[in-house]
Amino acid sequence: ETVMTQSPATLSVSPGERATLSCRASQSVSSNLAWYQQKPGQAPRLLIYDASTRATGIPARFSGSGSGTEFTLTISSLQSEDFAVYYCQQYYNWPPPTFGGGTKVEIK
Amino acid sequence: EVQLVESGGALVQPGGSLRLSCAASGFTFSIYSMHWVRQAPGKGLEWISYITSTSSTIYYADSMKGRFTISRDNAKNSLYLQMNSLRAEDTAVYYCATSRDRRFESWGQGTLVTVSS
Repeated sequence: ETVMTQSPATLSVSPGERATLSCRASQSVSSNLAWYQQKPGQAPRLLIYDASTRATGIPARFSGSGSGTEFTLTISSLQSEDFAVYYCQQYYNWPPPTFGGGTKVEIK
Repeated sequence: EVQLVESGGALVQPGGSLRLSCAASGFTFSIYSMHWVRQAPGKGLEWISYITSTSSTIYYADSMKGRFTISRDNAKNSLYLQMNSLRAEDTAVYYCATSRDRRFESWGQGTLVTVSS
């Protein structure tokens, strides 16, 4: 099973600032990496797939990069609605598809 | 617009059974593979099971193999999860999600399963 490790666990950022979230895979997942956003009491929402492609309706301030074992989600200028938990997920080595433990982006 | 509505969550005693349903609308359900994913209170996301559009291929997480059964009825636009021998650690919100290239494209709002005596 491919283990996904996200860092940091919590990221404190001021509105308007840039946030950089990391995700590391225990073995190569090529570019088969997705990012999801989850707000309290809501279901996750797909943000990025294939490591760098924004899902439909996702604002351009969200960008993804990386391949192999190292990936990054960048939020260029945090808006109030972006404070949430973010999960990465690999879909290269499966089953099972595996998620990272999440990064909580909170208001500084 | 894709809509997925889970139902069937409840309070159940350890060792009990439950059947979850996921009603799909707004898309051609019969051509989509589907997943079940769960989230324990305050925890992260855990994949449970996957089924192809024709039910020809099914996968389960090892920890749920033999206890959980995924199925679907394309005529009813519905996905199901039969859960047996439930344990306290199965307490979670259960989500259904559409699968596109093995990622989770659209999600339902979830249904809460609580296993407790």
